[in-house]
Amino acid sequence: KAGVTQTPRYLIKTRGQQVTLSCSPISGHRSVSWYQQTPGQGLQFLFEYFSETQRNKGNFPGRFSGRQFSNSRSEMNVSTLELGDSALYLCASSKGVAKNIQYFGAGTRLSVL
Amino acid sequence: DQQVKQNSPSLSVQEGRISILNCDYTNSMFDYFLWYKKYPAEGPTFLISISSIKDKNEDGRFTVFLNKSAKHLSLHIVPSQPGDSAVYFCAASTALLHGSGNTGKLIFGQGTTLQVKP
Repeated sequence: KAGVTQTPRYLIKTRGQQVTLSCSPISGHRSVSWYQQTPGQGLQFLFEYFSETQRNKGNFPGRFSGRQFSNSRSEMNVSTLELGDSALYLCASSKGVAKNIQYFGAGTRLSVL
Repeated sequence: DQQVKQNSPSLSVQEGRISILNCDYTNSMFDYFLWYKKYPAEGPTFLISISSIKDKNEDGRFTVFLNKSAKHLSLHIVPSQPGDSAVYFCAASTALLHGSGNTGKLIFGQGTTLQVKP
């Protein structure tokens, strides 16, 4: 069974640009969650999508958005990039039911110059 | 507001000995807890979980203990092996309280780097 796939693995952007990250969940998983990992803040929850609907949202500005498609694949978009957006972005998929386990992809390393 | 805290940034133990990683939380609504392990350049890997109705869960060399009154959980690794060297994160959610609605939102601690010396 294939795991969670994130593309691209590495990205370099400049301030003010926008970026789109992609996540393909494990087959059969309907929930996709996104997290930002930085050295200072650790792993922070961005948002979760379940059956194409945003079900939970963390405390991030509106520049961070996402969507989920009918095949459960998800994209995350960051507009007007800032230097502080440099981070490892992780997505996790799960069945989306109580007591379920999230399985993580390898992440996308975003560097904003 | 750090709702989940891992106060020890690092831990070093000898191969074969016990590793104990600690985690404290402040939100009494958390009812489901997980431990993940992370190697560099990889995503976190699930290790073990526990729900608030239990105080202990074992899986092979890994045991998680939950003390709800102290809002504290710990992960025991026995015996520790060099391959266990990684960053360990504890995470919490209100999965049981709110049913499936909150299962996709995990609150993570800052992580503890474990080094197991041969």
